[in-house]
Amino acid sequence: AQSVSQHNHHVILSEAASLELGCNYSYGGTVNLFWYVQYPGQHLQLLLKYFSGDPLVKGIKGFEAEFIKSKFSFNLRKPSVQWSDTAEYFCAVNAVGGYNKLIFGAGTRLAVHP
Amino acid sequence: GAGVSQSPSNKVTEKGKDVELRCDPISGHTALYWYRQRLGQGLEFLIYFQGNSAPDKSGLPSDRFSAERTGESVSTLTIQRTQQEDSAVYLCASSLANRVVDTIYFGEGSWLTVV
Repeated sequence: AQSVSQHNHHVILSEAASLELGCNYSYGGTVNLFWYVQYPGQHLQLLLKYFSGDPLVKGIKGFEAEFIKSKFSFNLRKPSVQWSDTAEYFCAVNAVGGYNKLIFGAGTRLAVHP
Repeated sequence: GAGVSQSPSNKVTEKGKDVELRCDPISGHTALYWYRQRLGQGLEFLIYFQGNSAPDKSGLPSDRFSAERTGESVSTLTIQRTQQEDSAVYLCASSLANRVVDTIYFGEGSWLTVV
């Protein structure tokens, strides 16, 4: 069965600090990978996704993620965070051929202090 | 509508009562999902509907949980004989469906509190 592990449950940063949120998945086959974000009081939104091709994926608001197949990882990065990035971030995986079922990680709460 | 709509947005119910949660997906989206998010935890897959195919019910935690979908529109998640551990946000999502995952759009959730 697929599973997703997010290493950090809570992260606190100051503005302009660099961000990296870890995500590892367990599945031996081909996967599609996603990062979703949930801002306070809002619903989940897609941040970025990887299907194939360039393993470095650019998303909205300056976020990017790198798929490293050998490490089963899809870490999220941003060079310089802003207060408005305060949110909860969820990594998700879908097994190709496994219909559209997305398996989510437990989430990482990011708090950015001005 | 413009997005996925869920109702009620908040529900407080007594232990042992049944509850129904409703989801209106985005028009034209044939795939519909239910997830549960307990406080401080990640999203737990419950059930997935795709057109007229048999739903994937593999995530339903017990036989107290059931869901139906009318054609390619509204879905209802029913929890019978609610327990305190059922307290959570129940999220509905929809997407255009094919074998490659399309962007999944989430509703704002139904907050269920069982007292």
